[in-house]
Amino acid sequence: GAVVSQHPSRVICKSGTSVKIECRSLDFQATTMFWYRQFPKQSLMLMATSNEGSKATYEQGVEKDKFLINHASLTLSTLTVTSAHPEDSSFYICSAATGRNTIYFGEGSWLTVV
Amino acid sequence: AQSVTQPDIHITVSEGASLELRCNYSYGATPYLFWYVQSPGQGLQLLLKYFSGDTLVQGIKGFEAEFKRSQSSFNLRKPSVHWSDAAEYFCAVGPYTGTASKLTFGTGTRLQVTL
Repeated sequence: GAVVSQHPSRVICKSGTSVKIECRSLDFQATTMFWYRQFPKQSLMLMATSNEGSKATYEQGVEKDKFLINHASLTLSTLTVTSAHPEDSSFYICSAATGRNTIYFGEGSWLTVV
Repeated sequence: AQSVTQPDIHITVSEGASLELRCNYSYGATPYLFWYVQSPGQGLQLLLKYFSGDTLVQGIKGFEAEFKRSQSSFNLRKPSVHWSDAAEYFCAVGPYTGTASKLTFGTGTRLQVTL
């Protein structure tokens, strides 16, 4: 199947700093990518839809100034958590859609803010 | 609004036994249904998907799911469970619009396999 890669898989940052997570579709072009957040033992909550070449669409309650999303190319979307706080610690997962509208997920990125 | 219900939070089965994970959805149009599996600390792997055609869908790792419109269900089954199947399973629904659309996930079912 298609491969979606996230980097880094784990990151620890200090409160107040910013951290960037990358999501790449390795063997296909993805016009649309999605960013999810997952708290321990809970389901995935969609944060935003990332469209190549345009602004991301954020879900209600998600702070767009805090979670910056850039989809600069058909194979790369980035999520930047700005001024991170301990409550931002979570598992962040991206997904990318193929031309056949099948959605594949990355391996996820663990963010710990200390 | 679309929603997905996975009634069973946690299921334990013996290795070699059959498995059925339940999924019920609520959706106003023709749904695009998915089952994903997540191992601890990992991303999600697509097991199978359904939009149209044969209502019994075959997936990877010996899994299958049956779409029942009258019951708004898309239950996942496996005839004989292996210890490596222990993981979290998520059912998801989304619109099929020809372009990528966001998915709504159920709360997941944690599968434990005893030897």
